Amino acid sequence: AQSVAQPEDQVNVAEGNPLTVKCTYSVSGNPYLFWYVQYPNRGLQFLLKYITGDNLVKGSYGFEAEFNKSQTSFHLKKPSALVSDSALYFCAVLGYQKVTFGTGTKLQVIP
Amino acid sequence: DAGVTQSPTHLIKTRGQQVTLRCSPKSGHDTVSWYQQALGQGPQFIFQYYEEEERQRGNFPDRFSGHQFPNYSSELNVNALLLGDSALYLCASSFGLSDQPQHFGDGTRLSIL
Repeated sequence: AQSVAQPEDQVNVAEGNPLTVKCTYSVSGNPYLFWYVQYPNRGLQFLLKYITGDNLVKGSYGFEAEFNKSQTSFHLKKPSALVSDSALYFCAVLGYQKVTFGTGTKLQVIP
Repeated sequence: DAGVTQSPTHLIKTRGQQVTLRCSPKSGHDTVSWYQQALGQGPQFIFQYYEEEERQRGNFPDRFSGHQFPNYSSELNVNALLLGDSALYLCASSFGLSDQPQHFGDGTRLSIL
């Protein structure tokens, strides 16, 4: 069975500092990995995906993610956090045509 | 270009009732997936429809059923509602059964009294 773990319920970071939101996964075969963001009372918005190729994937709003096969990780990063980045972030893995989401990490960017 | 639209936005039901939620996919998309997101949790996969057939199903009881219409829109039906069915129900659309990212609607907030 496939699974996603987001070990941190909440991440706090000062505005302008780099941020990292952690994700590890388990899936049979090649992983298809995604990051989504959710603002209050809204659906999920796609940020970026890893299918194959470069381990560093660039996405929307200045976010990027680093795929590490040996550590089965897909951490979300941004060089300089904005207050408007404060939201709930979900990592997801696609396997056997099913998408499994992590439990989410609340990112709080402090002015 | 309209994205994924869901209706209604909010719904209040009582235990034992039945509910139908509706979803129109993003233009150009033909695959619809439904998720249940309980408060403070990640979305849980319910099922996926493609070519008017249920293609994949998560660990949800038969009380949860669905349908996809020829115009690719979809319905989620839940029978014999339980208090634990209270959640945000999200619809997501994509093109084909592929690795393309899904586009989500803003969901239907279902409250069971």
